[in-house]
Amino acid sequence: NAGVTQTPKFQVLKTGQSMTLQCAQDMNHNSMYWYRQDPGMGLRLIYYSASEGTTDKGEVPNGYNVSRLNKREFSLRLESAAPSQTSVYFCASRRTSGAYEQYFGPGTRLTVT
Amino acid sequence: AQSVTQLDSHVSVSEGTPVLLRCNYSSSYSPSLFWYVQHPNKGLQLLLKYTSAATLVKGINGFEAEFKKSETSFHLTKPSAHMSDAAEYFCVVSDRGNQGGKLIFGQGTELSVKP
Repeated sequence: NAGVTQTPKFQVLKTGQSMTLQCAQDMNHNSMYWYRQDPGMGLRLIYYSASEGTTDKGEVPNGYNVSRLNKREFSLRLESAAPSQTSVYFCASRRTSGAYEQYFGPGTRLTVT
Repeated sequence: AQSVTQLDSHVSVSEGTPVLLRCNYSSSYSPSLFWYVQHPNKGLQLLLKYTSAATLVKGINGFEAEFKKSETSFHLTKPSAHMSDAAEYFCVVSDRGNQGGKLIFGQGTELSVKP
């Protein structure tokens, strides 16, 4: 199993450009999550999808949109990138029942100039 | 509301000496608690988890943590540090009653290991 995969690994955007970060998991997990990581701030939740067909805002959703394409895939879109969105983005997934740990992808490092 | 405070932003130890990374939490309900490790330019890996079974939890690579409800603490320890333990460590809480299984992260503790 590949676990949680993310593409791309690195990306540089100019202010105002748009892009979509892709995430897929092969563990048959129901719930998926998008986080951003900034120095000294831990990880902050952007959006999550508790199950296929549902999405909800997290702590820092402004400037982002998400799509739960199917059970495996959960994408994050920046419609008009801003320098404040320079960050490392992580996708994660979790089973619905039982223990609550999340499994993380390797991350996407995004720079907006 | 849930929150997590990691009491040290940076800890430095010598190889072979004990490691202590401190974490206090706040939770309205019965919490699940986790420690994750992140090596440089890598994703997050689960070290260990507490989910209301034994209060002393053993994880990978010789780490363990003790859940102390009276102190609202979940400190991470290791008897003898190895150079490969140098990384950033995150203490994480999740209320088992919360919808969506959301995790709340601490700010992280960077562990340095000197030869």
